[in-house]
Amino acid sequence: DTGVSQNPRHKITKRGQNVTFRCDPISEHNRLYWYRQTLGQGPEFLTYFQNEAQLEKSRLLSDRFSAERPKGSFSTLEIQRTEQGDSAMYLCASSLGLQGRDTQYFGPGTRLTVL
Amino acid sequence: ILNVEQSPQSLHVQEGDSTNFTCSFPSSNFYALHWYRWETAKSPEALFVMTLNGDEKKKGRISATLNTKEGYSYLYIKGSQPEDSATYLCASMDTGRRALTFGSGTRLQVQP
Repeated sequence: DTGVSQNPRHKITKRGQNVTFRCDPISEHNRLYWYRQTLGQGPEFLTYFQNEAQLEKSRLLSDRFSAERPKGSFSTLEIQRTEQGDSAMYLCASSLGLQGRDTQYFGPGTRLTVL
Repeated sequence: ILNVEQSPQSLHVQEGDSTNFTCSFPSSNFYALHWYRWETAKSPEALFVMTLNGDEKKKGRISATLNTKEGYSYLYIKGSQPEDSATYLCASMDTGRRALTFGSGTRLQVQP
C-alpha cells in the first residue's frame, strides 16, 4: 500500500497525559499537512510542512501542540497535557508540492479520545 | 478567512436517483476548489481539483462544475448506487496559502 498511513488509528488517554501521533506520507511527496476534524464539522487545518520546514501554523495550534518532520519524510504531532476538547480525528495529508493546487492525499486518521 | 458552506447537510435517495449538492465559497482570492468523498472508517478520497471558472470535471457517474465569479460548485451523481453512500466534502484554497478550508460536508445515503 503506497498511500498515507497514520498510527495509531485510535488513542484513548486521560486528561493531562501527553500523546504523539505519527504520519507517513506518500514517499515522493514534499508537502505534509495536519488537520483536525470534530463531530459534524469538516476538517480544520492545523499546520503544514514543505520538506522539513514548517511553513504555516493555524491559530488552532496552541502551545500544547507541536509538530515535527525531522528528515522531511514522516511527521509527528504531539499534544501535551491533553484536554477533553482535544478529542477529535487527527488527519494527515501529503501532496507532491510542485504546485499550490496539488491534490492532497489523506490518511485514515487517528481518533483521539480524552477522558 | 474563508467560509465554505455546503448544502444540504444530509440527503437520502433511492438507488437509481440522480442527485446534486452545492458548495459555496468566497470568490475573492480564489485559487482552487477540491472535492472529496469520505466513507466511514476510510481515508477521504480525492475526487476533483478545479481551478478555472466554467470548469467541468467527470469521474464515472460523478461530475462537478465550478463558478468562481459567484463562488459556487455543484457535484452531481447520476444513477446513485448504495456504494455512493458517503460524506462529500468540498474545500477551497485561496491565493497565498496551501491550507484547505473545508465545508461541513453533505452526508449521502443511498437506499437499495
